[in-house]
Amino acid sequence: NAGVTQTPKFQVLKTGQSMTLQCAQDMNHEYMSWYRQDPGMGLRLIHYSVGAGITDQGEVPNGYNVSRSTTEDFPLRLLSAAPSQTSVYFCASALRVNQPQHFGDGTRLSIL
Amino acid sequence: TQLLEQSPQFLSIQEGENLTVYCNSSSVFSSLQWYRQEPGEGPVLLVTVVTGGEVKKLKRLTFQFGDARKDSSLHITAAQPGDTGLYLCAGAEGGATNKLIFGTGTLLAVQP
Repeated sequence: NAGVTQTPKFQVLKTGQSMTLQCAQDMNHEYMSWYRQDPGMGLRLIHYSVGAGITDQGEVPNGYNVSRSTTEDFPLRLLSAAPSQTSVYFCASALRVNQPQHFGDGTRLSIL
Repeated sequence: TQLLEQSPQFLSIQEGENLTVYCNSSSVFSSLQWYRQEPGEGPVLLVTVVTGGEVKKLKRLTFQFGDARKDSSLHITAAQPGDTGLYLCAGAEGGATNKLIFGTGTLLAVQP
């Protein structure tokens, strides 16, 4: 059972570049979300989805897009990378928002 | 956006000491979760509390949900070096928003 799989694990971008962070889960979870974590801090919600075809904004959505075409996949797109987006990004999934969240191993992203 | 404040932000104690971590908000949550995160990994769920005033125990860890469901606490008895990590509370917003908002985090170091 793979759980939540995030790719890539590490990425370095130049300012202005775009990229997509991939997230896939094999637990048939309806709820998926993306967080960013800056050094020594908690997690801030970027976007979330309560099911295929449904997405909504979290606390810090600017500069990021998401889509949920299938139950399994929830990619996060950086439109035009900025140094302020340097962070560790975590994807999580759960049956519902108030159920245990299963996290991926994170993507460590540096924007130069 | 609801804000979940954790205190203290950092805590360094000796093995065998007791400690309490607090998680406070001005808003009501339908449920509250506690996670522990180790370096380089995603958070892992410790417990979920749902009912106001609820107390749950997990070995040496005691979790309490405030009567008004706005705050929570985590008490660790006789801390051990293996308890070292980042402790995060997370509140599930009720109603139609379906957001899970994380607290600011408490970094605990237990010295042998």
